Amino acid sequence: GQQVMQIPQYQHVQEGEDFTTYCNSSTTLSNIQWYKQRPGGHPVFLIQLVKSGEVKKQKRLTFQFGEAKKNSSLHITATQTTDVGTYFCAGPEAGNNRKLIWGLGTSLAVNP
Amino acid sequence: ETGVTQTPRHLVMGMTNKKSLKCEQHLGHNAMYWYKQSAKKPLELMFVYSLEERVENNSVPSRFSPECPNSSHLFLHLHTLQPEDSALYLCASSQWIGANYGYTFGSGTRLTVV
Repeated sequence: GQQVMQIPQYQHVQEGEDFTTYCNSSTTLSNIQWYKQRPGGHPVFLIQLVKSGEVKKQKRLTFQFGEAKKNSSLHITATQTTDVGTYFCAGPEAGNNRKLIWGLGTSLAVNP
Repeated sequence: ETGVTQTPRHLVMGMTNKKSLKCEQHLGHNAMYWYKQSAKKPLELMFVYSLEERVENNSVPSRFSPECPNSSHLFLHLHTLQPEDSALYLCASSQWIGANYGYTFGSGTRLTVV
């Protein structure tokens, strides 16, 4: 079945270092969404990308959607301790626009 | 008030108990969802409601029974659960039904079945 894979599963960085997580879909996606879940918290919507090759920025966060609309990345510049959490990507299930297929997430730890 | 409110935050129940989870959204959204989050598994969609009508039942066992009395409220009725049902249950809403809209999640109910 359709899968959304994220790498790496875990990442430890020193505060101030950059961080990137990658999301790869087994099928072409009409859009991709990114969420952040803090430890003990719930997923919070960050952004949605729709266009092939789209790049969007939110302060230190840069989101990209691949040209083939099968992969995406989230890059954080100069990480801070507030960036700690798990970052999920999700895209619509092929043929069923009511359902999102979720990745397992990338857990980010930041050492101060 | 926060956008999506879930109660209770924590619940411990025996396998013979009956309990209900409650979700309320104050965003004027028209679609509501129940998700199950377990360790080392992707978020699992359980039920989808659009304008109070159930439009998706993702092969969820009958021991989970949803109810949506209006577009602002969603319940998940639980009975005769199994220990493997222990998980974080998340309610979410979106402007309209579909995977083209960002979801707003509640804080979740951490359920433990003993």
